[in-house]
Amino acid sequence: SQKIEQNSEALNIQEGKTATLTCNYTNYSPAYLQWYRQDPGRGPVFLLLIRENEKEKRKERLKVTFDTTLKQSLFHITASQPADSATYLCALPGYSSASKIIFGSGTRLSIRP
Amino acid sequence: DGGITQSPKYLFRKEGQNVTLSCEQNLNHDAMYWYRQDPGQGLRLIYYSQIVNDFQKGDIAEGYSVSREKKESFPLTVTSAQKNPTAFYLCASNVQGGRAEAFFGQGTRLTVV
Repeated sequence: SQKIEQNSEALNIQEGKTATLTCNYTNYSPAYLQWYRQDPGRGPVFLLLIRENEKEKRKERLKVTFDTTLKQSLFHITASQPADSATYLCALPGYSSASKIIFGSGTRLSIRP
Repeated sequence: DGGITQSPKYLFRKEGQNVTLSCEQNLNHDAMYWYRQDPGQGLRLIYYSQIVNDFQKGDIAEGYSVSREKKESFPLTVTSAQKNPTAFYLCASNVQGGRAEAFFGQGTRLTVV
């Protein structure tokens, strides 16, 4: 069955450094992969979508890579700031139906001043 | 303003009662979704709908029911058959499945008392 894995342990980063989050998936070859940000008690907010034919995508201080051979996506935040502290979720189309959106468990990121 | 609205924000239910969570969107999106989130966990798909008068079960549909009589509305009923309903419920919508960004409501926190 489809499985999406994100590092369940919180990631603590010094302000100004680059934060790197990992999303691994198995038993599947999705055509798209998305990243979302979620703050406590709020709904997730879309950040980036990357397609299987795109190796890398950037948006301001954010960068996403998509390695279909390793079945892995990396999410980078450069020049991190305390305001970047949140939980970050990766999401894929469903294996049995591309109409579904399936989320990983998320990684909590804390940026300390 | 365009967006997706969930109500109420907080809901308390007595054991054995059915409750209905509201989700309305004015984004003209065809697809709508319901997710459940437990503390420290990711989002799990309950039901999704790609078009009016049609919906499909997600990964954890037991104890829940939905309807999609209007494009704008996708209410979720938590029935008494759901053994552990206390959770944070999120509704989302998008243009088309996993290939498009999803827009989320602010969530409904349901507590069984």
